[in-house]
Amino acid sequence: DTEVTQTPKHLVMGMTNKKSLKCEQHMGHRAMYWYKQKAKKPPELMFVYSYEKLSINESVPSRFSPECPNSSLLNLHLHALQPEDSALYLCASSQDEGQLDSYEQYFGPGTRLTVT
Amino acid sequence: AQKVTQAQTEISVVEKEDVTLDCVYETRDTTYYLFWYKQPPSGELVFLIRRNSFDEQNEISGRYSWNFQKSTSSFNFTITASQVVDSAVYFCALSEAPNDYKLSFGAGTTVTVRA
Repeated sequence: DTEVTQTPKHLVMGMTNKKSLKCEQHMGHRAMYWYKQKAKKPPELMFVYSYEKLSINESVPSRFSPECPNSSLLNLHLHALQPEDSALYLCASSQDEGQLDSYEQYFGPGTRLTVT
Repeated sequence: AQKVTQAQTEISVVEKEDVTLDCVYETRDTTYYLFWYKQPPSGELVFLIRRNSFDEQNEISGRYSWNFQKSTSSFNFTITASQVVDSAVYFCALSEAPNDYKLSFGAGTTVTVRA
């Protein structure tokens, strides 16, 4: 089962709101990712968790706060966002077994976020 | 510097035509990994293939085939007998070391298959 699920599918929020995006996978993957994708552009990496620890933060503004409660779940907490943060937010997961290989990432369907 | 170049922005074909998507990459590493992803209008990126730098065998999967040539740093993707369901944005991506989490994506090629 190569499925990554994300909720909600769509989210509209004001600039003063606090909301969270959720991602779940049951493939036993130990690496999980958040990407941001603007229209007609490739995905841009935001964060990587490896074995539930933050491994990479691509200089993302602090109004985005990731959390990995366990190996199957990944959250992205949103606070005081700007209209330019409107985008498709994609979650992905992959195997993570040290230096053996570089594994493909499996993506969820994404959350379309609109900040008003 | 752009590590993955997909020079074709958009391709439009009629159903049953073949379509080839070009991907040229740039890396100084001897070990690297190449990927193709499909993104239909629904938004989800669908993994299609992974190829490591030591494996230059071409691959065929149904109507899809891939041509990996290290000599020209290319990893091209062909859809044979295209169908309307093949309409999507296709991304080529590069990972430059084992267990390197970062994927360098190309800009993507939008394929439109007309009935």
